[in-house]
Amino acid sequence: DIQLTQSPSFLSASVGDRVAITCRASQATGTFFAWYQQKPGKAPKLLIYGTSTLQSGVPSRFSGSGSGTEFTLTISSLQPEDFATYFCQQLHTFPYTFGPGTSLEIK
Amino acid sequence: QVQLVESGGGVVQPGKSLRLSCAVSGITFRTYHMHWVRQTPAKGLEWVAVIWSDGSKKFYVDSVKGRFTISRDDSKNTLYLQMNSLRDEDTAVYFCAGGSYFLGRWGRGTQVTVSS
Repeated sequence: DIQLTQSPSFLSASVGDRVAITCRASQATGTFFAWYQQKPGKAPKLLIYGTSTLQSGVPSRFSGSGSGTEFTLTISSLQPEDFATYFCQQLHTFPYTFGPGTSLEIK
Repeated sequence: QVQLVESGGGVVQPGKSLRLSCAVSGITFRTYHMHWVRQTPAKGLEWVAVIWSDGSKKFYVDSVKGRFTISRDDSKNTLYLQMNSLRDEDTAVYFCAGGSYFLGRWGRGTQVTVSS
C-alpha cells in the first residue's frame, strides 16, 4: 500500500497568513493526488484534484503543487473559514489511501 | 442540488451483519464511480471500496476483503455496502462518495458501532 505522511500534523496560524501543508508518499503517485478540507461533524470537502486543479467553487487562495512523491497544499491568505483539518489522498494505486491529516488552528 | 444520504448504520454485535445504503440525487448516478470511506478518531480516513460506474469492477481495502461487498442499483440511484462478519475495528463513521480520480461528492456519513 502507498503510505502518506503529512507535515505538519498541527499548524497554528493567523488570518492573512500564507501556509503550506506537505504530503509525502511512499511511492510515486503520478498526478492522481487530491486534497480535502474537513470541519468537525462534516464530511470532507474536495479542494484540489489532479495535484493542482481547483475544484469548482473553491476559492483561488487554495492551490496545489507537486510531483512524484511530494505534494503541497498552499493557502495564500488564511480566512476565518479555513481553520479546519486537511487531508491528502492518492488515487493512483488501490487501495486508495489518505494522509493522517493536518489540523489548522487559529493562533 | 446534489445529495448523498447514507442510512443503515447502528450498533451491532461482533460477527453480525449490516447493510449500508447511500441514496443519491442531483447527479447522473450511473456515470459515477462510487466509493465507501470510513473514519475513526484513531485511524483517520480510510478508503474502503469502490465500484465502477458500470458495475464492472470492484476494489476493496485488504482489511474488508471477503467480508464486505459493494454494489449499486442504478434504477434506484442507490449504493450499498453489505458488511458481514463485523469486527470491533469496523466501528467508524461510513461515508459514501462519488468520483473517478477524486471524490468530489460526499454524504454526511452514518455511524456503525460494533460492540458486544
